[in-house]
Amino acid sequence: DTAVSQTPKYLVTQMGNDKSIKCEQNLGHDTMYWYKQDSKKFLKIMFSYNNKELIINETVPNRFSPKSPDKAHLNLHINSLELGDSAVYFCASSHSKGAEAFFGQGTRLTVV
Amino acid sequence: GENVEQHPSTLSVQEGDSAVIKCTYSDSASNYFPWYKQELGKGPQLIIDIRSNVGEKKDQRIAVTLNKTAKHFSLHITETQPEDSAVYFCAATGGTSYGKLTFGQGTILTVHP
Repeated sequence: DTAVSQTPKYLVTQMGNDKSIKCEQNLGHDTMYWYKQDSKKFLKIMFSYNNKELIINETVPNRFSPKSPDKAHLNLHINSLELGDSAVYFCASSHSKGAEAFFGQGTRLTVV
Repeated sequence: GENVEQHPSTLSVQEGDSAVIKCTYSDSASNYFPWYKQELGKGPQLIIDIRSNVGEKKDQRIAVTLNKTAKHFSLHITETQPEDSAVYFCAATGGTSYGKLTFGQGTILTVHP
C-alpha cells in the first residue's frame, strides 16, 4: 500500500492552462504539505494544512491554490500556468507538527 | 526564518569508504533534524533523524550527530555501498515553524564499486 500517493506522476501542459495535482495519504496523519523541487533539486515548502486548516502559506503566487476536502487529501490547483512553474511537486504528510514527514513520489510538471 | 546550509554539494567515494555530509542551521529554536535520501525519479525518503535533546543517533551503517551550540549536524555513512548512491538532504524544523521543513541544498553521493 502506498502511504502518500500523488496523481499524475507526469504532467505536460501548455502555458496559460489550468491544472490540478491530487494527493492522498493513508497514514492517518493530520498534517499535509506541498513542496516544490526546482531544476537544481532545491526543495522548498509551499503550503501546509493541519486538519483541513491552512497553517503555512509561503510566498507563492495566487495562481496556486491548495484545497483539502478532508485530512487525508490535499490537492493543488494551478491557474494560468507559466514556464517557470515547471518543477517537481511533492506532497508530504506527518502525524503532528514537527514530526517525521513522509513524501509522495512527486509530480513532474512541464509547462511548454 | 530558518536557513540551512549543506556541504559538500557532491561527494564521490569508493565502495567501503565512509561518507560525511555536514549541515548548519541558523534558528536556535529548531529542534528536529531529519535526513532524507532521494533516488532518481522518487520522492525523498526519511533515513534517520535526531532531536535536539540528543547528541548522536545511530542506525546500522548510518549515524547522525548534532552540536546545538555550534548549530550544526552531520550524517555519517560507513562501509558505503553502490546502492547508497543518491541525493541526500538535511532539514531542520521546530519552534514556530509548525512542522515546516527547511532543507539544505542537497549532496549528490556517488559510491564507486
